[in-house]
Amino acid sequence: GAVVSQHPSWVICKSGTSVKIECRSLDFQATTMFWYRQFPKQSLMLMATSNEGSKATYEQGVEKDKFLINHASLTLSTLTVTSAHPEDSSFYICSASPTSGSRYEQYFGPGTRLTVT
Amino acid sequence: QKEVEQDPGPLSVPEGAIVSLNCTYSNSAFQYFMWYRQYSRKGPELLMYTYSSGNKEDGRFTAQVDKSSKYISLFIRDSQPSDSATYLCAMSATGNQFYFGTGTSLTVIP
Repeated sequence: GAVVSQHPSWVICKSGTSVKIECRSLDFQATTMFWYRQFPKQSLMLMATSNEGSKATYEQGVEKDKFLINHASLTLSTLTVTSAHPEDSSFYICSASPTSGSRYEQYFGPGTRLTVT
Repeated sequence: QKEVEQDPGPLSVPEGAIVSLNCTYSNSAFQYFMWYRQYSRKGPELLMYTYSSGNKEDGRFTAQVDKSSKYISLFIRDSQPSDSATYLCAMSATGNQFYFGTGTSLTVIP
């Protein structure tokens, strides 16, 4: 149980284009989903917290107009990187907290590697 | 000062050794403590969690929390090559926002 999927797992796009990444909780409902960014040999950096049916809460320094987050259902959240630039190349990981679970429970997706050329 | 400090390693041990991984933190409000294992190019996998202080054991893994010293540990007994991964500690005050360490890279040599 507690499986989170991400799609795509790897994407290459040209500078200036937009990319959408999907995060799905496959066998549980998640009121809250988190989006992280991870650079090589560095820890996870929380970008934003999304709650189903409401606007995402972005961490300081994260541009909400560049990283659009939508949490339309209890099993799906999407992150759209708009007008991508090479510096946006990174490993993006989502996680989901089960609606009926404990506060510590956070299950991670396998990540999406974005390369902007 | 970072919220969570973790020695990045790398740490290399022979198979069967006991491994000790540690994190320190500065926020005394933290009360949820987690350890994750992350294989290369994969998302983190929750290994263990503890609430407040104390020890917790699960198979070959033992998690310890010392809130007075703001110090947490993960012990791996009888380490196996399959344990080779990066281990991340994470902690939270409310369960809403988690702070992660940078991860310790572990290699278990057969």
